Amino acid sequence: DGGITQSPKYLFRKEGQNVTLSCEQNLNHDAMYWYRQDPGQGLRLIYYSQIVNDFQKGDIAEGYSVSREKKESFPLTVTSAQKNPTAFYLCASSHNWGQQNTEAFFGQGTRLTVV
Amino acid sequence: AQSVSQHNHHVILSEAASLELGCNYSYGGTVNLFWYVQYPGQHLQLLLKYFSGDPLVKGIKGFEAEFIKSKFSFNLRKPSVQWSDTAEYFCAVLSGSARQLTFGSGTQLTVLP
Repeated sequence: DGGITQSPKYLFRKEGQNVTLSCEQNLNHDAMYWYRQDPGQGLRLIYYSQIVNDFQKGDIAEGYSVSREKKESFPLTVTSAQKNPTAFYLCASSHNWGQQNTEAFFGQGTRLTVV
Repeated sequence: AQSVSQHNHHVILSEAASLELGCNYSYGGTVNLFWYVQYPGQHLQLLLKYFSGDPLVKGIKGFEAEFIKSKFSFNLRKPSVQWSDTAEYFCAVLSGSARQLTFGSGTQLTVLP
């Protein structure tokens, strides 16, 4: 079954702890994205990657880190430096610019709560 | 930095009314344009997309959008909404240079039966 898998669906973290959110895709997409969704603010881009071993900061990268060691995987770490980490996190993937279809496909999301 | 503006934050319509949701973007180069929909409790789904060619594109469930390059706009329309169209709608822009997919803040559509 092709698609994007995010895990876990719900995650609780204590203040001061780092936590890693998983995102895996089997769509053979080169580009992958991480967004944060907060009520009334839409989807804000955290990090994106167009190719393995390369990634760029989005609009709200502070307090987050990523890696792209494999084409299929783009994990996001929410560090203790992120001041307001409680949010809904969405991962997406797509073909790169210049290919026929660049629409993004989304995972089901991870809801992170800091307690 | 590129940006995407959706000026209508919450729209309330009665069934059978016509819908138009505004979307404007700031990037001046070549773009791909999208509208996504998020139904309550579900993940984001693609409604329609524009890559090139005919600026009037048709999507699923009777939605359409028109790309007006001179106005940097990609407004979403539907002639007659249904109660099942109640959802949040997001406009998104993929720029050719930055390769960054940017979303607007979303418009919550509520259709009253």
